[in-house]
Amino acid sequence: DQQVKQNSPSLSVQEGRISILNCDYTNSMFDYFLWYKKYPAEGPTFLISISSIKDKNEDGRFTVFLNKSAKHLSLHIVPSQPGDSAVYFCAASGRYGGSQGNLIFGKGTKLSVKP
Amino acid sequence: DAEITQSPRHKITETGRQVTLACHQTWNHNNMFWYRQDLGHGLRLIHYSYGVQDTNKGEVSDGYSVSRSNTEDLPLTLESAASSQTSVYFCASSKAGAGYNEQFFGPGTRLTVL
Repeated sequence: DQQVKQNSPSLSVQEGRISILNCDYTNSMFDYFLWYKKYPAEGPTFLISISSIKDKNEDGRFTVFLNKSAKHLSLHIVPSQPGDSAVYFCAASGRYGGSQGNLIFGKGTKLSVKP
Repeated sequence: DAEITQSPRHKITETGRQVTLACHQTWNHNNMFWYRQDLGHGLRLIHYSYGVQDTNKGEVSDGYSVSRSNTEDLPLTLESAASSQTSVYFCASSKAGAGYNEQFFGPGTRLTVL
């Protein structure tokens, strides 16, 4: 059963508008969440993260929101730029079972930002 | 600058052959991971290591093995390659310890098994 779900395989947004990528998780033991960005033919690169003790973390145009009660997080990109077109992976981590540092990834959402 | 490299970047092999994919990191990270990426599946963990001589099975470990003889390298071996192992493989590393969740990824190896 998927513990981290990204239910939208793709998202298309106009340049300058807001992009909102969503992620749901099922395991309440997760306490750290990350977003990775991946361009074709490259490895994923870390974008932004949030600890479960916070509900918002901001870094420039990127903001991640965490709603623990709903087990939901979202990544907001404002304003969206064509260079943001990539696959975005949501990942979660927890301090359980000795698997410290392991990440569970969602299937990814492909964002296309149209000029 | 510290980095993580993978070789080869592309590999074509035949069913039944043994294949080894290399991963080398200069971050001096204790933790290293191997993932495969397939359409519709995202990134799935194959094997991981928390330090020298330590190896653990991930979600999709059947048909794969790893060994960790030093901090820098975690080679991934496909004992007898199968067409189902055609995929893009990513190696990653991270610091050990609480609070160090960010993993740094290599550029990937595209493997085709014919």
